[in-house]
Amino acid sequence: EVQLVESGGGLVQPGGSLRLSCVGSGITTSRYAMAWVRQAAGEGLQWVSSVSAGAGTTYYADSVKGRFTISRDNSKNALYLQMNSLRAEDTAVYYCATHKVTTFRPFEHWGQGALVTVSS
Amino acid sequence: EIVLTQSPGTLSLSPGERATLSCRASQSVRGDYLGWYQQKPGQAPRLLIYGGSSRATGIPDRFSGSGSGPDFTLTISRLEPEDFAVYYCQHYGGSPGTFGQGTRVEIK
Repeated sequence: EVQLVESGGGLVQPGGSLRLSCVGSGITTSRYAMAWVRQAAGEGLQWVSSVSAGAGTTYYADSVKGRFTISRDNSKNALYLQMNSLRAEDTAVYYCATHKVTTFRPFEHWGQGALVTVSS
Repeated sequence: EIVLTQSPGTLSLSPGERATLSCRASQSVRGDYLGWYQQKPGQAPRLLIYGGSSRATGIPDRFSGSGSGPDFTLTISRLEPEDFAVYYCQHYGGSPGTFGQGTRVEIK
């Protein structure tokens, strides 16, 4: 069974930083492009960032460009999202997901989500 | 940037009825870059349809996708109790992910 487990969420003040992690089991994540997708309470889905399988190419939504950094460690089957200069509007559940092989493909497997709350 | 508009916002139907959900793109897009997801309360989204009309692994055949840019449709032929949820379309061609705002299918 494929499992993606996120961790690192929590409460942070505006302007602060947080690092999310996602570890996969039952799947060799190094074979897949991976992504972060977020969802504010009661709202729809918003793609945040993606990274290619080999980590050579990254993509960001305009709303997080320059503040968030996606990375991966394929030796650990892990994906990360470093979030800096956090704003109230970044408050959301953050899901880790695998693309169906490469980027520019749908999101096939999803984690259960990690809640990030940005508030003073 | 492509914008996806889903309609209706909410669909009120009874179990056994047919559900037809619409997704319209702001410009013509290739159908093989269009997907549909189901999300239930407190759960992560689940991929239903990709490439416009291909069912993902384990998805029952009562779910079907059709259409061509800019208009796409998700059809649930006979609603089961577990199908009442929110459905999102996604275009993954020009960027890794643009989602519609969602259609809620609720029990009438």
